Amino acid sequence: AQTVTQSQPEMSVQEAETVTLSCTYDTSESDYYLFWYKQPPSRQMILVIRQEAYKQQNATENRFSVNFQKAAKSFSLKISDSQLGDAAMYFCAYRRGNTGGFKTIFGAGTRLFVKA
Amino acid sequence: SAVISQKPSRDICQRGTSLTIQCQVDSQVTMMFWYRQQPGQSLTLIATANQGSEATYESGFVIDKFPISRPNLTFSTLTVSNMSPEDSSIYLCSVGETGLLIKQYFGPGTRLTVT
Repeated sequence: AQTVTQSQPEMSVQEAETVTLSCTYDTSESDYYLFWYKQPPSRQMILVIRQEAYKQQNATENRFSVNFQKAAKSFSLKISDSQLGDAAMYFCAYRRGNTGGFKTIFGAGTRLFVKA
Repeated sequence: SAVISQKPSRDICQRGTSLTIQCQVDSQVTMMFWYRQQPGQSLTLIATANQGSEATYESGFVIDKFPISRPNLTFSTLTVSNMSPEDSSIYLCSVGETGLLIKQYFGPGTRLTVT
């Protein structure tokens, strides 16, 4: 069975600094997707970034980038120039490829605090 | 993108009663999902609700406890039956399109407290 592990329950970063959230996963599949979701206090889950396993290039979305290490099954999220609005719960998630259904497995989450 | 609304946004219920949560999407979608997020924890998939067929439940969740309806491509309901304090959670509706399988959208959630 696939699992997603986030070993950092909480992280803190100074405004304008950079922070990296860790995520590891376990799967025997070769075709899958990885995601980082943000859940602010409003509870609305927001997709931050996604990575297709077949792509070697790390995904980037503005201040958010990932370090995808497929062999190590690691998928960390880097937030650059942190802003107060980045404070939220961040979930790493895994989903099998298109032939594997649509079940998304979430990690336990990392709560990010941003200090002014 | 899909815009999802849920009703109610929150409720406080007495044990032994049932609550039906509604999920409305602003466009037709093939797949709808119901997740539970217990206090301070991650999201767990309860079931997948497909229009025109029975919902598919994940291990640990049963239809008698969480009956689901999916009458059309824009609407679904989840009922939490015979509630106990352990059912206190946030319940989230989510949708996905088979044509865009890598995109999944979430509703704002329903915060349920059972006393």
